[in-house]
Amino acid sequence: DTGVSQNPRHKITKRGQNVTFRCDPISEHNRLYWYRQTLGQGPEFLTYFQNEAQLEKSRLLSDRFSAERPKGSFSTLEIQRTEQGDSAMYLCASSLPRTESVTQYFGPGTRLLVL
Amino acid sequence: AQSVTQLDSQVPVFEEAPVELRCNYSSSVSVYLFWYVQYPNQGLQLLLKYLSGSTLVKGINGFEAEFNKSQTSFHLRKPSVHISDTAEYFCAVKGLIGNQFYFGTGTSLTVIP
Repeated sequence: DTGVSQNPRHKITKRGQNVTFRCDPISEHNRLYWYRQTLGQGPEFLTYFQNEAQLEKSRLLSDRFSAERPKGSFSTLEIQRTEQGDSAMYLCASSLPRTESVTQYFGPGTRLLVL
Repeated sequence: AQSVTQLDSQVPVFEEAPVELRCNYSSSVSVYLFWYVQYPNQGLQLLLKYLSGSTLVKGINGFEAEFNKSQTSFHLRKPSVHISDTAEYFCAVKGLIGNQFYFGTGTSLTVIP
């Protein structure tokens, strides 16, 4: 069990640029979640995948945000035309199917700074 | 929808003293409850969870929490803290149905030598 991994760990970009983050869940986990965490706040739910299907999206996920999980394994989160308000830690978590899915395992996060 | 309130944003405590971190939740349905710990520049690690059954839940690192349905609380306790317990602690709630987890704003625990 290598845990959930996220890349890159840090990203600095200029306003208006596009960025893409990657999350590799624990191999047998079919459920994958993205969260955003700003300074002094708890994680806020962004979106949820079961296998390759994106089943839930938060209203926080504006049209500039898109997430994919094409083969039901790794996932990417893209932010287009970044804004300074997008600066945050982006966390990925995965979990097992069904009742075991209440236990989420988090990755270390990708810290985004938009200048 | 559910929500979580962590009543204390910062809790300083001396080493080897007991600590309680408070968490209250709001929900119209039955819920699962969780406590996570986050060390600087790291992801969240599950400390303990309440799904059903005994209202006193024991977790890792000597932490425990008690589910109180009438007071809609899930306070986290440790009888004797160590320097290594210094971290951010998050309470979270999830309804029995649905896939969204709702986190509180966190409590920063600082253990003073």
